Amino acid sequence: DTEVTQTPKHLVMGMTNKKSLKCEQHMGHRAMYWYKQKAKKPPELMFVYSYEKLSINESVPSRFSPECPNSSLLNLHLHALQPEDSALYLCASSQRASGFSTDTQYFGPGTRLTVL
Amino acid sequence: AQSVTQPDIHITVSEGASLELRCNYSYGATPYLFWYVQSPGQGLQLLLKYFSGDTLVQGIKGFEAEFKRSQSSFNLRKPSVHWSDAAEYFCAVGETGAGNNRKLIWGLGTSLAVNP
Repeated sequence: DTEVTQTPKHLVMGMTNKKSLKCEQHMGHRAMYWYKQKAKKPPELMFVYSYEKLSINESVPSRFSPECPNSSLLNLHLHALQPEDSALYLCASSQRASGFSTDTQYFGPGTRLTVL
Repeated sequence: AQSVTQPDIHITVSEGASLELRCNYSYGATPYLFWYVQSPGQGLQLLLKYFSGDTLVQGIKGFEAEFKRSQSSFNLRKPSVHWSDAAEYFCAVGETGAGNNRKLIWGLGTSLAVNP
């Protein structure tokens, strides 16, 4: 099983809402990632978790709050977002705890987020 | 600083024609090099990667890439394109060396259209 699943597929939220994105993998991977992707642009790294601990935070605004409850699950909590946060949010995982830049990353299909 | 350049923003080829997508990188050491593909509305999928060994790398879906150190290039090729190859293609280089915050550096992508 080489699948990363993400829910929901689409999300529309107002600027005062609180919502969460979920990501799950059952490949036994030790690193998990959140990316933000605007249309026709490469993915921008937001956060990296290694062994369920936050390893990289790319200076992401605090209105985005990641959580890794266990080695298979990754959440992204959203609060007080801005319209410019509308994007495709991708989750990925890779095998080794320290292979952020060397291991193959397996991506989920993403959550298309629209902030009104 | 490391960088990745994909000189072609958009390429159109006819079905059955050969394809070459260019990727140039700027990096002092031997890099980890990746090609990912993103079909419309999908996450990213690894086509192939290179770290060491044979400079001609075979990937999935009939793609191959050649690492040329002298040209700092890692161009992606396919001898005969299928309509289903229409997608966004991203080249990436993985940072190596000491430190815990190494990550992938992404090119801006090349959008491939295939004419029937």
